[in-house]
Amino acid sequence: KQEVTQIPAALSVPEGENLVLNCSFTDSAIYNLQWFRQDPGKGLTSLLLIQSSQREQTSGRLNASLDKSSGRSTLYIAASQPGDSATYLCAALTDSWGKLQFGAGTQVVVTP
Amino acid sequence: AAGVIQSPRHLIKEKRETATLKCYPIPRHDTVYWYQQGPGQDPQFLISFYEKMQSDKGSIPDRFSAQQFSDYHSELNMSSLELGDSALYFCASSPGTGGIGDEQFFGPGTRLTVL
Repeated sequence: KQEVTQIPAALSVPEGENLVLNCSFTDSAIYNLQWFRQDPGKGLTSLLLIQSSQREQTSGRLNASLDKSSGRSTLYIAASQPGDSATYLCAALTDSWGKLQFGAGTQVVVTP
Repeated sequence: AAGVIQSPRHLIKEKRETATLKCYPIPRHDTVYWYQQGPGQDPQFLISFYEKMQSDKGSIPDRFSAQQFSDYHSELNMSSLELGDSALYFCASSPGTGGIGDEQFFGPGTRLTVL
């Protein structure tokens, strides 16, 4: 059974610093990996999707890498801003019907 | 751009009552997923539909049932509600079978509170 882990559970950085969020998964046979942002009590906003054949994806200040062999993905957020404060979840697609296995998330606080 | 629509956004029910949650996928998306997120927990997959047929099933209680209609909207029916059913229920949609590489787009969720 696929297990997805995110460490650390919480992270606080001053504005302007780069953020590095880690996601690890136990079964390397994934179809893709998605990163989401969730504000308190709100829905999930998809940030980046990395296909299993890709090594990284970029969107603006966000860059996500994927290393299937080591079971790891990393989300980098450059030049963090207070508006980046949220919980970030990664989710692995591990079956052909689209069931996502989520990590518990990393709660990020960016202080002005 | 159109997003996934869920209704109602908030729902308060008593124990043993019934609740129906609705999901309207992004236009031309034919796959719908339901997830449950308990307080302080990560989302857990409940059930999915592709072309109106159930395609996968997760840890969904027997008290829950769901279906996808001809217009691709989906409904999650929950009976004999328990306190532990209080959670945020998400619907997501994707444009294909949800298999190789399809991105899932999530709705804002329905917050169900069972008293």
